[in-house]
Amino acid sequence: GAVVSQHPSWVICKSGTSVKIECRSLDFQATTMFWYRQFPKQSLMLMATSNEGSKATYEQGVEKDKFLINHASLTLSTLTVTSAHPEDSSFYICSARDQMGRADTQYFGPGTRLTVL
Amino acid sequence: DAKTTQPTSMDCAEGRAANLPCNHSTISGNEYVYWYRQIHSQGPQYIIHGLKNNETNEMASLIITEDRKSSTLILPHATLRDTAVYYCIVSLSGNTPLVFGKGTRLSVIA
Repeated sequence: GAVVSQHPSWVICKSGTSVKIECRSLDFQATTMFWYRQFPKQSLMLMATSNEGSKATYEQGVEKDKFLINHASLTLSTLTVTSAHPEDSSFYICSARDQMGRADTQYFGPGTRLTVL
Repeated sequence: DAKTTQPTSMDCAEGRAANLPCNHSTISGNEYVYWYRQIHSQGPQYIIHGLKNNETNEMASLIITEDRKSSTLILPHATLRDTAVYYCIVSLSGNTPLVFGKGTRLSVIA
């Protein structure tokens, strides 16, 4: 099946610093990728839709200036958490749409656990 | 908001079939039923999806009722590694983001 990777798998940073998370589709091209976050004991919450070569679409309540998304190629989307604070600590997960595969569906990365001290 | 209703939790004996129900009474004609599962601290894993016909793959079978208002995911021979939260999601295919509900926590017991 289609494989999506994320890097790093976990990161610990100080409050006020910025953190970049990469999401890559390894064996397919993805014009559309999605970013989710998941707090403990909760379900995944969609943050934004990332389209290659255009601006991301953010969900209501998600600050676009704080969560910068770049989708510069068909295999890479990045999420930068700027000026991170402890309340941004969460599990960040990306997914990518494989429209040419056997199933036109989305595949998820393994997630990145962010801890802000 | 999620358009599906699933039981909060279920238990299944190892080696037996696990049948996970899902209600989606407001599904529209062009929406698919997707199933994903999430093992603790990992990203969701795609299992199967269907529109109106029953589907089967190497992981599971998906049975969709004729009126499409409910479906059942069947894991034919559950193993301990199948312990996870299972999400039933109704969505258009492709570019539409998936909206996750709370899912069903399946515990496979030895």
